[in-house]
Amino acid sequence: LAKTTQPISMDSYEGQEVNITCSHNNIATNDYITWYQQFPSQGPRFIIQGYKTKVTNEVASLFIPADRKSSTLSLPRVSLSDTAVYYCLADYGQNFVFGPGTRLSVLP
Amino acid sequence: GAVVSQHPSWVICKSGTSVKIECRSLDFQATTMFWYRQFPKQSLMLMATSNEGSKATYEQGVEKDKFLINHASLTLSTLTVTSAHPEDSSFYICSAGRAGANSYEQYFGPGTRLTVT
Repeated sequence: LAKTTQPISMDSYEGQEVNITCSHNNIATNDYITWYQQFPSQGPRFIIQGYKTKVTNEVASLFIPADRKSSTLSLPRVSLSDTAVYYCLADYGQNFVFGPGTRLSVLP
Repeated sequence: GAVVSQHPSWVICKSGTSVKIECRSLDFQATTMFWYRQFPKQSLMLMATSNEGSKATYEQGVEKDKFLINHASLTLSTLTVTSAHPEDSSFYICSAGRAGANSYEQYFGPGTRLTVT
C-alpha cells in the first residue's frame, strides 16, 4: 500500500534553515518526488522536484538518498512569509499520494 | 507559464442540486488532469484522473456517478457534483499534468470551495 508520511508540524525562527523529511517507502524505481507549498484556501504551489541525489533551485534544495525511501526538503533562511503547509507528493506509478502535510510556523 | 485556472472559486448550493466546476490549463495542453478533494486541515486526496477523450479513472471509494468528470479538450476538464449533500462540502482542486524530458509535473489550480446547505 502506497503511503507517504511526514511530520505534522514544525516551528522555526526567521533566518534559520528548515529541513522537512518525507517518507515514501514503496516508491517505484522511475517515479519522482515533488514538494508543494500551500497557503490557506489556495491551491498547492510547486517548490521542487527530484528523482535522486540532490536538486537545488532558487528557493529550496531537495535531498534524496540512494534508497529513495525518503526525501528532505531544505528551505534556507526562512522568513515569516514561509509560514505554510508543505506537502510531499510521491508518484507511485501515476498513483499520486500526498503526504499529510507539515505545517511550518516561522516565528519572528 | 503553466497556469491552471478554476471556476468558480467558491460556490454555495442547496442540498440535492448539482454543481459544475471547470478546470482550465491556460498556456499548455494537458492530456491528463487530476481532481483532488481537501477537507479542512487535511491533505489533498486524489479523486480521479481525467484523460482527454476517454473516461476518467476514479480512486477507490469515489462514486463515479456522483462525481461526473468530463475532459473534452486538452485545456478543459469539468467536475460535476450531482445531487450534492452537506458532506460534499469541501475544497476541490484540479491539476494539469505535463511531462518534461526527465520529469512529470502537476500544476494546480487555485481551488473551488463548495458549500452545500
